[in-house]
Order: sequence, then C-alpha cells, then structure tokens
Amino acid sequence: EVQLVESGGGLVKPGGSLRLSCAASGFTFSTYNMNWVRQSPSKGLECVAFISTSGDSIHYADSVKGRFTISRDNARNSLYLQMNSLRAEDTAMYYCTRDCMTTVTPFDLWGLGTLVTVSS
Amino acid sequence: DIQMTQSPSAMSASVGDRVTITCRASQGINKYLVWFQQKPGKGPKRLIYASSTLQSGVPSRFSGSGSGTEFTLTISSLQPEDFATYYCLQHNNYPWTFGQGTKVEIK
Repeated sequence: EVQLVESGGGLVKPGGSLRLSCAASGFTFSTYNMNWVRQSPSKGLECVAFISTSGDSIHYADSVKGRFTISRDNARNSLYLQMNSLRAEDTAMYYCTRDCMTTVTPFDLWGLGTLVTVSS
Repeated sequence: DIQMTQSPSAMSASVGDRVTITCRASQGINKYLVWFQQKPGKGPKRLIYASSTLQSGVPSRFSGSGSGTEFTLTISSLQPEDFATYYCLQHNNYPWTFGQGTKVEIK
C-alpha cells in the first residue's frame, strides 16, 4: 500500500526541539520530491519545507527559516524535520507530503499527520 | 507571497445540490492551482490539479476550471460523502500558498 506515516510529535516547551519522521512505503521514495506541510486553527495550511529527490534543493517558509531543517534518507525511505527553538506559533498538525513527479504538481499523497504542541 | 481567497468560507447544502466554490489569487498563477478535500481527523486528499485535471480515482461529479486569478471547484450533485472542507493551493510562485478553506455542511 502506498502510504506516508509520520511520527515524533508531542508536547514540548518553548525553546525546545523535536525531530519529526515520515516513513514512506509502497513507492520508490528516492524518485519523489517531498515536503512538510502544517495545519493549525489560527493559520490554516502552511507549506513548511521542501526537499528534492537527492536533497540538493531545499526551501523553507520564512517563518521557520534558521530554526527547522528538512532532510531525507533514501536508503531508509524516510523524511525528517528537525525543529529547534520552537515557539507557541509552531503548534500544529504536521503532514508529510509527496509531489507528483509525472505531472510536476504538488501534494498528491499525504500522511495522517503528527501533532506538535508547544506550550509551557 | 500570493494570497489565495476562497468563497464562501462555509455553506450549507443538500444531497443532490450543485455546489460551486471559488478561489481567487492576488496575482496571476496561470493554471497552477490544486484543489483538496479534507475530512475530520484525516490529511487532505488531492481532487484536481492543473486547475481542471481530475486526480485518478476521484468521481467525475467533481470538476475544476479557471486560469489567471479566478478558479472554481464544482460538485455537480452533492453526495453524503462530499461533506468536508475544501482547500485550494497555488504553486506558481514559492512559497506555495493555500486558501483558508470552504466547509460544506449538511442543510
């Protein structure tokens, strides 16, 4: 089955760190660009970070630049998001998403998400 | 950043109704527009890409149109499983940006 499964979310204090993981299965992970997208009641859906197939192209939202790092391990079929200096406004559901490479269009597959709560 | 404005924000409709949701971009985005459906507790599901191309497996009652700054998602005959929240996304300019969503509720 083609799927993405996120993990690593939880409750963390402001200024703390978390590392999110996304396990991909059912498709050739190394041939797809990948992303993290988050969703909160206050800001809605927001693209957080993008990484190309080999990791040589990376983009971040201005709101997380310098604090978050996206990476991937194609041998382990896994995507990661290292989140440092967390703030209350980073509280959200975080989704791992895949881009469709044949049509060059985004987000054709989503995981169920992992919840990150930043609170003291 | 390109702002995406959806209307309405919420609507009530009955099974069998024709439903139209509009998404407006703050500047031209060609046809780089995607529509998603989200149900409670789940990640969004892609319905339409390139403004009007139906994602494989999505029922033909869903259709999309538009280019430039104005786009529409139409459900020709609303079914019980279509009650959900719908979002548009532009991917013409980075950062890609979503609309705020349209919640379709049962009348």
